[in-house]
Amino acid sequence: NAGVTQTPKFQVLKTGQSMTLQCAQDMNHNSMYWYRQDPGMGLRLIYYSASEGTTDKGEVPNGYNVSRLNKREFSLRLESAAPSQTSVYFCASRGQGGNEQFFGPGTRLTVL
Amino acid sequence: LAKTTQPISMDSYEGQEVNITCSHNNIATNDYITWYQQFPSQGPRFIIQGYKTKVTNEVASLFIPADRKSSTLSLPRVSLSDTAVYYCLVGAWNTGGFKTIFGAGTRLFVKA
Repeated sequence: NAGVTQTPKFQVLKTGQSMTLQCAQDMNHNSMYWYRQDPGMGLRLIYYSASEGTTDKGEVPNGYNVSRLNKREFSLRLESAAPSQTSVYFCASRGQGGNEQFFGPGTRLTVL
Repeated sequence: LAKTTQPISMDSYEGQEVNITCSHNNIATNDYITWYQQFPSQGPRFIIQGYKTKVTNEVASLFIPADRKSSTLSLPRVSLSDTAVYYCLVGAWNTGGFKTIFGAGTRLFVKA
């Protein structure tokens, strides 16, 4: 099992460009999450999906959109990137009734 | 959402027991207390979760007093590899997903 995988690992964008961060899990988990982590800070929840077909806003959703493509995949899209979105982005998943979230390795995004 | 307060940093020596305390005065009845560990350039990893009293697993113990307004993560006999950031989270699993807030965490530095 690969667990939670994220692509790409690194990305540099110019202000105004768009991109999609991909996340996939092979643990048959229902819930999936996107977080961002700024230097020296904790993680902040952007969006989450409690189950296939549903998504909901977290703490900092502005500037982002998500798609729960199927049970395995949950993507995060930046339509018009801004320097304030420079961060490390983590995807996580959780099984039904499970206590813990499993995190991916992260995507390091720089917006110039 | 309950806010948590942890020490910013702690130092210890190999072989010592480390206790990290987290305050969560506004914890709600349905909230659980969860601790995660994060190494540089990696996603957080679940350590332990509890609701009240004491919980122990193979890596840590979690002590929760009766009023649940604080909790203490205990790491027995730390090693250099325990140097990491430790996050205390408070939140409730609900039908919409697990909403919680990651604080800045506690940076534990273990010295030889």
